Amino acid sequence: KQEVTQIPAALSVPEGENLVLNCSFTDSAIYNLQWFRQDPGKGLTSLLLIQSSQREQTSGRLNASLDKSSGRSTLYIAASQPGDSATYLCAADQTGANNLFFGTGTRLTVIP
Amino acid sequence: GAGVSQTPSNKVTEKGKYVELRCDPISGHTALYWYRQSLGQGPEFLIYFQGTGAADDSGLPNDRFFAVRPEGSVSTLKIQRTERGDSAVYLCASSLMGGGQETQYFGPGTRLLVL
Repeated sequence: KQEVTQIPAALSVPEGENLVLNCSFTDSAIYNLQWFRQDPGKGLTSLLLIQSSQREQTSGRLNASLDKSSGRSTLYIAASQPGDSATYLCAADQTGANNLFFGTGTRLTVIP
Repeated sequence: GAGVSQTPSNKVTEKGKYVELRCDPISGHTALYWYRQSLGQGPEFLIYFQGTGAADDSGLPNDRFFAVRPEGSVSTLKIQRTERGDSAVYLCASSLMGGGQETQYFGPGTRLLVL
């Protein structure tokens, strides 16, 4: 069974810093790796989706990378803002499965 | 267009009671998913519908949980004889065709508290 792990569980940074969130997965047979944002009491918002054949995806200040062979993905956030404060979840879309396998998330706090 | 909606947004019930949670997917999406998210955890898969049929219910924890999607659109997750351990956020998602390789669009969730 696919196991997805996210480190760190929580992260606190001052506004303006660049930061990296880590995600690892045990089974490299994936269609894609997705990053979501979850605000307190809210649902999930899709941020980036990296296909298994891709190495990275960018959207604004966000850049996600994928190293399928080593089972790792990172989410890089540039010039962090207080509005970036949320929980970030990664999810593996595993080949042959019908569902996403989620990590436990990293709770990010950006201090003004 | 409208996203995925879920009702109610919050539900408080007593142990042993029956509850129904509703999901309205994005119009035209044939695939619908239910996940459960416990406090401090990531969402865990419960069941996947392709049209009206449950194509994969391997994530349902036991036979107290059941879900239907009779017309291939709205889905209802039903929990019988609720237990305190059922307290969680129940998330619904939909995608255009299903079968993997697609973005899943999530609703805001229903927060269930069993007292």
